[in-house]
Amino acid sequence: ILNVEQSPQSLHVQEGDSTNFTCSFPSSNFYALHWYRWETAKSPEALFVMTLNGDEKKKGRISATLNTKEGYSYLYIKGSQPEDSATYLCASPPLVFGKGTRLSVIA
Amino acid sequence: DTGVSQDPRHKITKRGQNVTFRCDPISEHNRLYWYRQTLGQGPEFLTYFQNEAQLEKSRLLSDRFSAERPKGSFSTLEIQRTEQGDSAMYLCASSSESLGTGGAGANVLTFGAGSRLTVL
Repeated sequence: ILNVEQSPQSLHVQEGDSTNFTCSFPSSNFYALHWYRWETAKSPEALFVMTLNGDEKKKGRISATLNTKEGYSYLYIKGSQPEDSATYLCASPPLVFGKGTRLSVIA
Repeated sequence: DTGVSQDPRHKITKRGQNVTFRCDPISEHNRLYWYRQTLGQGPEFLTYFQNEAQLEKSRLLSDRFSAERPKGSFSTLEIQRTEQGDSAMYLCASSSESLGTGGAGANVLTFGAGSRLTVL
């Protein structure tokens, strides 16, 4: 069974700080990697779908990179805002999700 | 299209009762997935359908769990003889995938808001 690991488990940052988290996955039989953002009391919302080694994707202040050869992806948030507070999930879709990184941005 | 709908949003039941959750996916999506999420964990895959065919069900937690998607549109997840350990959030998601990708998926999953089950 594939194992997707995310670190750190939780993170507290000050408003305006930039931050990043890691998703590790088995590099063999790679197909795609997804990032989702999950706010409390809402549905998980897709951020990025990444398929190619070296992929870099950006959405506003959030960006992600992918290294399929070594089996990791980074999610970056530049200038964190309180509204970025959420759990960020990565997945080797659709079967295996990581436990998520819970981000709290303190104003 | 209003996205993925799940019903009920909350269900409180007594141990030993049966419960059924319904999921209405995005209409043009051919894949539908069920997950369970407990506190501090990511979504745990249970089963998925491609149209009306259930292509993976070995991850269903026990034989008390079953799912159907009879016409390839909405789906139901039933838990029989509920136990307190079944208390969790049950999430449904849908996507559009071509045949032949196996269980993998490159297209985004659109999630519903979930059905929270509490077994007393």
